[in-house]
Amino acid sequence: SAVISQKPSRDICQRGTSLTIQCQVDSQVTMMFWYRQQPGQSLTLIATANQGSEATYESGFVIDKFPISRPNLTFSTLTVSNMSPEDSSIYLCSVGTGPDTQYFGPGTRLTVL
Amino acid sequence: DAKTTQPPSMDCAEGRAANLPCNHSTISGNEYVYWYRQIHSQGPQYIIHGLKNNETNEMASLIITEDRKSSTLILPHATLRDTAVYYCIVRVTGTYKYIFGTGTRLKVLA
Repeated sequence: SAVISQKPSRDICQRGTSLTIQCQVDSQVTMMFWYRQQPGQSLTLIATANQGSEATYESGFVIDKFPISRPNLTFSTLTVSNMSPEDSSIYLCSVGTGPDTQYFGPGTRLTVL
Repeated sequence: DAKTTQPPSMDCAEGRAANLPCNHSTISGNEYVYWYRQIHSQGPQYIIHGLKNNETNEMASLIITEDRKSSTLILPHATLRDTAVYYCIVRVTGTYKYIFGTGTRLKVLA
């Protein structure tokens, strides 16, 4: 398994601002993903973070709203841009250490006022 | 893409076995079934996965029916710390992407 950390663990932000969430892994991994979990809901995949190329976004998510960087095999960032209260969620990164299993970070709890 | 169906909630007495069912009737022949759990909105924790055969590890057992259209996660001796939302997941064919269903909220009762 991999040890995954996220920063910040939680934040309260004002409408119209942006927040960048960091995901750090203790070993090199091939696959990194970003998920959103809205209050009381299940997890929804936002995008696959690709090292050295643009992220691959799922239906309903766009790069302008959720820009993602992945400069190397251990680190990725997700930015939530021009936030509104509807963006209040837990944002989680996950990594795939092999062809099968994903491991999840602790999540970032975002509240937008 | 394969999808999963789970009961929204279940109760289990402490010390008894918890049996959590999952239907995945549209699963393809080469798709694995994964189980995760999420405690208090923490990141989901991996439990177990399988393809055809039953699997067991230190946390749980996974029973997959012969036609692979359903499976059951078994926690042999549930404790209060097993109270969580349990997700049964099938990976999107040909990718590493997971599609999460709504999960089962398991409450272990003292």
